[in-house]
Amino acid sequence: SQQGEEDPQALSIQEGENATMNCSYKTSINNLQWYRQNSGRGLVHLILIRSNEREKHSGRLRVTLDTSKKSSSLLITASRAADTASYFCATDALGSARQLTFGSGTQLTVLP
Amino acid sequence: KAGVTQTPRYLIKTRGQQVTLSCSPISGHRSVSWYQQTPGQGLQFLFEYFSETQRNKGNFPGRFSGRQFSNSRSEMNVSTLELGDSALYLCASSFGNSFMNTEAFFGQGTRLTVV
Repeated sequence: SQQGEEDPQALSIQEGENATMNCSYKTSINNLQWYRQNSGRGLVHLILIRSNEREKHSGRLRVTLDTSKKSSSLLITASRAADTASYFCATDALGSARQLTFGSGTQLTVLP
Repeated sequence: KAGVTQTPRYLIKTRGQQVTLSCSPISGHRSVSWYQQTPGQGLQFLFEYFSETQRNKGNFPGRFSGRQFSNSRSEMNVSTLELGDSALYLCASSFGNSFMNTEAFFGQGTRLTVV
């Protein structure tokens, strides 16, 4: 079963705007990862944030993690049409072997 | 460095048949895990292997099985296929024994259609 929810389920923006996606989860975690998926293809790893980190940057991506609220957000700045994809958060629960639990995903559409 | 390779990319099978999917992890990665993705259930964990041992299994029936070879390559098998097994099957590889804070890299997936 899925760990939690992502919000919004769908987001449509203009090129150049920023896109923010949120993820909530249920259990204590080792880390949280964000992935991108284009049209039912494989998942592309974007960024990993550890449970003891609060914010992380990678290029146009900014991820925050609030373990007290069991939530994370992914910000994509200056979006491009090529950013159009589904975005998923995935968590590694404490004490488990590698078993990622995924959110339901946000479908991002960036209009040219 | 080559990424995670899954074969075949597409499969069409008939109900009742069985199917075997293959995954070659990134060189040096010893953990391989499998996920099923469907529109209704999303991404769900199937099982995880490390050093040829299944360490974790998701909530799937016994028709779903897998194995890992000494070179870390992995296969999953689904017997007595049902229409509901139609899905994108994704394989992920990770480095090392401790999974805390290591990325999981995914292959392109195998799209299985059961008719």
